[in-house]
Amino acid sequence: EVQLVQSGAEVKKPGESLKIACKGSGYSFTSYWVAWVRQKPGKGLEWMGIIHPGDSDTRYSPSFQGQATISADRSTAYLQWSSLKASDTGMYYCTRSAHVPAASDIWGQGTMVTVSS
Amino acid sequence: QSVLTQPPSVSGAPGQRVTISCTGNSSNIGGGYYVHWYQQLPGTAPKLLIYDNDKRPSGVPDRFSASKSGASASLAITGLQAEDEADYYCQSFDSSLSDSSLSGVVFGGGTKLAVL
Repeated sequence: EVQLVQSGAEVKKPGESLKIACKGSGYSFTSYWVAWVRQKPGKGLEWMGIIHPGDSDTRYSPSFQGQATISADRSTAYLQWSSLKASDTGMYYCTRSAHVPAASDIWGQGTMVTVSS
Repeated sequence: QSVLTQPPSVSGAPGQRVTISCTGNSSNIGGGYYVHWYQQLPGTAPKLLIYDNDKRPSGVPDRFSASKSGASASLAITGLQAEDEADYYCQSFDSSLSDSSLSGVVFGGGTKLAVL
């Protein structure tokens, strides 16, 4: 089965660092792009950026450049923050795309990140 | 404020037909870029519903269809069922937001469908 499985929910304080993960299985992970999408509580979807695990080509949405860092190895994609803010609270989804800007055909289950003092 | 505009909500009775619009401009939909549609059921991850303007992935009922004209796209749902109650999002690409290191993939603001 083709799937993306994400790491579990996180509760952090402002200023802390965090790295969440998205592991692909059932397909050639390095042949597809992996995007990250944020959804704040009760709000819509926001596309953050995308990486090709095969060559680490990474592109960010202008709205998210500098806010978080996307990386990947041969089986897992990552989204990390060096200094979290309360405004980073939300559900984060990883998705699979054949190319940029193809549709996201596979979605992870989501990782809830809560940043609160 | 998304560059792709969707109505916040639509509603319909079971069995009826509803449509959801997604309006952009010449930098995105009107520039010839594909539109994709996603369905997000309450408490779940989004699911791809339509890709490349009008194509249905395997397993998506043919009650769901979509089209694109000029700088707008629309999703149609016929034979409305209670299980269709969800949030629907359009997605496209905006060239004005892109360069060698930036990518202007954008979502619409989302439309909540209520089945009365």
